[in-house]
Amino acid sequence: SQQGEEDPQALSIQEGENATMNCSYKTSINNLQWYRQNSGRGLVHLILIRSNEREKHSGRLRVTLDTSKKSSSLLITASRAADTASYFCATDGGNSGYSTLTFGKGTMLLVSP
Amino acid sequence: EAQVTQNPRYLITVTGKKLTVTCSQNMNHEYMSWYRQDPGLGLRQIYYSMNVEVTDKGDVPEGYKVSRKEKRNFPLILESPSPNQTSLYFCASKGIRTRHYEQYFGPGTRLTVT
Repeated sequence: SQQGEEDPQALSIQEGENATMNCSYKTSINNLQWYRQNSGRGLVHLILIRSNEREKHSGRLRVTLDTSKKSSSLLITASRAADTASYFCATDGGNSGYSTLTFGKGTMLLVSP
Repeated sequence: EAQVTQNPRYLITVTGKKLTVTCSQNMNHEYMSWYRQDPGLGLRQIYYSMNVEVTDKGDVPEGYKVSRKEKRNFPLILESPSPNQTSLYFCASKGIRTRHYEQYFGPGTRLTVT
């Protein structure tokens, strides 16, 4: 069953601008993960934030998590054309590595030179 | 290089002709999973496996079979493919003992059933 829902479905920006994508989910989670997918290719893990964390950074990526609102956001700063891809949030509701991920439908990001 | 491989990458077949998509990982991961990706529906889990000889259904298991006889391999079997199984398929794996929990995805298999 689909858990995460990304917003917006599509986002078009210019190089150098920041891109913000949001994810909302319905049930409690252990962690939330963001993945990137270049057109038709496999997903690549970007960042994981645990339920007891509020913010996490990795390079130009900043992820926030608000468990009270059941939402997360992914911010890509100073975007580049190479950031053009689809971005998915995935929720992990279990407390062991054996739990499964539930993916949202993704946000398609287009960064124009 | 740590990776998940899938074969074939592209496959066109006819309704009812049994096929197998192979998946292999070289990271000694316990957990492996199959997803299908369809426009407007995102990724949906078909089957997953927590370890050798342990498999379980995901959200959309109908029409698919899997087996996990070796830790590195997790083939997806379509006994009698139908056009509604035309999709992009991904295999993924993750390590349990590392407690990192991120999944590693294969490059995908684009299947067309006519």
